[in-house]
Amino acid sequence: GDSVTQMEGPVTLSEEAFLTINCTYTATGYPSLFWYVQYPGEGLQLLLKATKADDKGSNKGFEATYRKETTSFHLEKGSVQVSDSAVYFCALSDQGNTPLVFGKGTRLSVIA
Amino acid sequence: NAGVTQTPKFQVLKTGQSMTLQCAQDMNHNSMYWYRQDPGMGLRLIYYSASEGTTDKGEVPNGYNVSRLNKREFSLRLESAAPSQTSVYFCASSVLAQGGNEQFFGPGTRLTVL
Repeated sequence: GDSVTQMEGPVTLSEEAFLTINCTYTATGYPSLFWYVQYPGEGLQLLLKATKADDKGSNKGFEATYRKETTSFHLEKGSVQVSDSAVYFCALSDQGNTPLVFGKGTRLSVIA
Repeated sequence: NAGVTQTPKFQVLKTGQSMTLQCAQDMNHNSMYWYRQDPGMGLRLIYYSASEGTTDKGEVPNGYNVSRLNKREFSLRLESAAPSQTSVYFCASSVLAQGGNEQFFGPGTRLTVL
């Protein structure tokens, strides 16, 4: 079945550091890929998405490129801020109207 | 638009008590979902409803029941609460679009079972 694997956390970075959170997937079809963010005490909200190979999703300085050849969708940000501290989830949407498949989440802490 | 709303926000139950978690969405979405999130863990799907009138089990359905009351509302019932059901519960909704099955989440219900 479909699955998403993302790097284990927690990840702790200093403010203005470069961020990469790795995400790889297994899917039978041609999925859409998502990154969700969960701030403390809140629900998940969509950060960015990509619907086909080589697409780049971007939002709030975060980027991720859909790489079909490596089945990856790594999340990057050039300069993190304390306000980026959150849990980040990678997810895929494969066949039609089925639930998203989520990774286990990566907790990011950014210190000033 | 309020998006996805959940009530209550917090709840404390004693073992064996029952309760219903309410969820509503105003985005005219076809599909709705219930997840639980335990400390240090990701999301686990409890039940979902792909369309009005249908429900399906997810990864961890035991101890729960659901009702898709209409297109807007999807409730989750705990008939006899157990301490293992202490968790944060999230409701979500989605509509299948060109960009895939993007889900929108509610703010969560924090449930403690003593």
